[in-house]
Amino acid sequence: GIQVEQSPPDLILQEGANSTLRCNFSDSVNNLQWFHQNPWGQLINLFYIPSGTKQNGRLSATTVATERYSLLYISSSQTTDSGVYFCAVFFLSNTGKLIFGQGTTLQVKP
Amino acid sequence: DTEVTQTPKHLVMGMTNKKSLKCEQHMGHRAMYWYKQKAKKPPELMFVYSYEKLSINESVPSRFSPECPNSSLLNLHLHALQPEDSALYLCASSQSSVQGPEAFFGQGTRLTVV
Repeated sequence: GIQVEQSPPDLILQEGANSTLRCNFSDSVNNLQWFHQNPWGQLINLFYIPSGTKQNGRLSATTVATERYSLLYISSSQTTDSGVYFCAVFFLSNTGKLIFGQGTTLQVKP
Repeated sequence: DTEVTQTPKHLVMGMTNKKSLKCEQHMGHRAMYWYKQKAKKPPELMFVYSYEKLSINESVPSRFSPECPNSSLLNLHLHALQPEDSALYLCASSQSSVQGPEAFFGQGTRLTVV
């Protein structure tokens, strides 16, 4: 069936460290988004990246659609980066549904 | 402006109450979504409206009743809920529900059923 898998499920970093979060998906996609959910529940758009590479400050993302994965890079992490990171996907075969992975919970320690 | 506004932010209701959650966007988006999120889980799709018509219902119990009065507004009417329905309810919008456009989420309504 259609699946979105994220790894690792949990990640603890020291402030200043770099990290890579991974999202694997089981089928061809129209859209892939990365979100950061803050402690109050707000889902903040990080990247809209169905393919290619984008950068925004200390964050960057790469999606290789042909190999069905996406990576989110966080460099020089800060305590404010803590929270849950979700990737979400619109599959070509499942039009209209934005499906979320299980998320990666990131804790950045000072 | 990429804002989706949800009200109320918090809601406590009894099992016999009737309440409504509201969602509003002014981005000209024609698709709107309701998601339910339990603690430590990802958001799960409940309903999709496309051009003010219900296009997807993910087998949601009838005690949840969605309504899309116009292209900017989305309501979720709640009646006879159970304690297990306590969750964060998220609204989202996108330009359409096909071709995978970027989706934007509101800050959510945290619902507690007592």
